[in-house]
Amino acid sequence: GAVVSQHPSRVICKSGTSVKIECRSLDFQATTMFWYRQFPKKSLMLMATSNEGSKATYEQGVEKDKFLINHASLTLSTLTVTSAHPEDSSFYICSASSGTTPADTQYFGPGTRLTVL
Amino acid sequence: GNSVTQMEGPVTLSEEAFLTINCTYTATGYPSLFWYVQYPGEGLQLLLKATKADDKGSNKGFEATYRKETTSFHLEKGSVQVSDSAVYFCALSESRLTGGGNKLTFGTGTQLKVEL
Repeated sequence: GAVVSQHPSRVICKSGTSVKIECRSLDFQATTMFWYRQFPKKSLMLMATSNEGSKATYEQGVEKDKFLINHASLTLSTLTVTSAHPEDSSFYICSASSGTTPADTQYFGPGTRLTVL
Repeated sequence: GNSVTQMEGPVTLSEEAFLTINCTYTATGYPSLFWYVQYPGEGLQLLLKATKADDKGSNKGFEATYRKETTSFHLEKGSVQVSDSAVYFCALSESRLTGGGNKLTFGTGTQLKVEL
């Protein structure tokens, strides 16, 4: 149980275009979903936290107009990278949790490799 | 703010060797502690967790004990296998009592390589 999927797994796009990444909880309802960015040989950096039906909470330094997050249902959240540039190339990972307390486990998706040319 | 410090890698061991990956944390409240593992080309998977002091999390032969007095959560395994080769992340999620919600703060990860 507790499976989280992401789509696509890899995407290559041209500079200036927008890319949408989907995150789905397959066998549970996710009260909260999280979006992370992982740099090579670095830890995960939390970008934003989203709760179903409400606006996402962005971490300091993350441009909310550039990284649009939608959490329209208890099983789906999307991250749209708008007007992507080469510096946005990274590994984006989502996670989902059925609870809101710190003891509740976050279950991670397999990640999406974004390459902006 | 919260922080997690892990030992630098990579750690290279022979199969059946004993593994310790050190993890210490700084938190203002009462965090839950986690170890996640990332196998090559895959996403993070929960390995084990502990939600209060003196709890021991265990899974797949791995263990970690929540030590409040030393603010540590070291990962151990008595006999590693080649299939354990992966990157291991220590993380904390702070107690709601201090308003931290369930945001995870990760360490930088420790790469483990197990050789025959």
